[in-house]
Amino acid sequence: AQTVTQSQPEMSVQEAETVTLSCTYDTSESNYYLFWYKQPPSRQMILVIRQEAYKQQNATENRFSVNFQKAAKSFSLKISDSQLGDTAMYFCAFSGGAGNNRKLIWGLGTSLAVNP
Amino acid sequence: IAGITQAPTSQILAAGRRMTLRCTQDMRHNAMYWYRQDLGLGLRLIHYSNTAGTTGKGEVPDGYSVSRANTDDFPLTLASAVPSQTSVYFCASSEVGGAFYEQYFGPGTRLTVT
Repeated sequence: AQTVTQSQPEMSVQEAETVTLSCTYDTSESNYYLFWYKQPPSRQMILVIRQEAYKQQNATENRFSVNFQKAAKSFSLKISDSQLGDTAMYFCAFSGGAGNNRKLIWGLGTSLAVNP
Repeated sequence: IAGITQAPTSQILAAGRRMTLRCTQDMRHNAMYWYRQDLGLGLRLIHYSNTAGTTGKGEVPDGYSVSRANTDDFPLTLASAVPSQTSVYFCASSEVGGAFYEQYFGPGTRLTVT
């Protein structure tokens, strides 16, 4: 079965520092997408970053970047210069399955607190 | 542009009652999804629709039904609510089905079944 594991249920970081959230997944596929979503206390789910498995270059979006290790099936999220507004649940998701049955498979999330 | 709207925002429902959660998107996305979010269980897919007129079952479809009569609307119906259906429900959409594309989420509906 395809699974996504986020091994850190809770993390905290001081404002302006850097934090890395881990995510590993299990699949036998070679072509897939990986996502990080953010859910702040407002409950709204927001896409943070997306990585295509066929691209070797790690995706970057402003202060957010990933370390994608395909062989290790690892997809960690690095947040640089953490801000109070980064406080949220962060979910890693993997697009598993085939064709029209391909669905997002979600990790259980990491709760990140950014402290002033 | 509103994106995805869901109604109601929250609801308390007596067990055994019928309830329809509404979801409307204005992005002309082909695919739509219903998830439930429970503490410790993450997001679980209930039903999905890759195009208007088609629907499919997700991970936890029992007790729920959906319809997709047009592109914009994707209501979720609980025919006879049970307490285990207490959850936060999210509707989402994407340009195309198949999970390669970003999913855009609505604000969620918090449902409590008593």
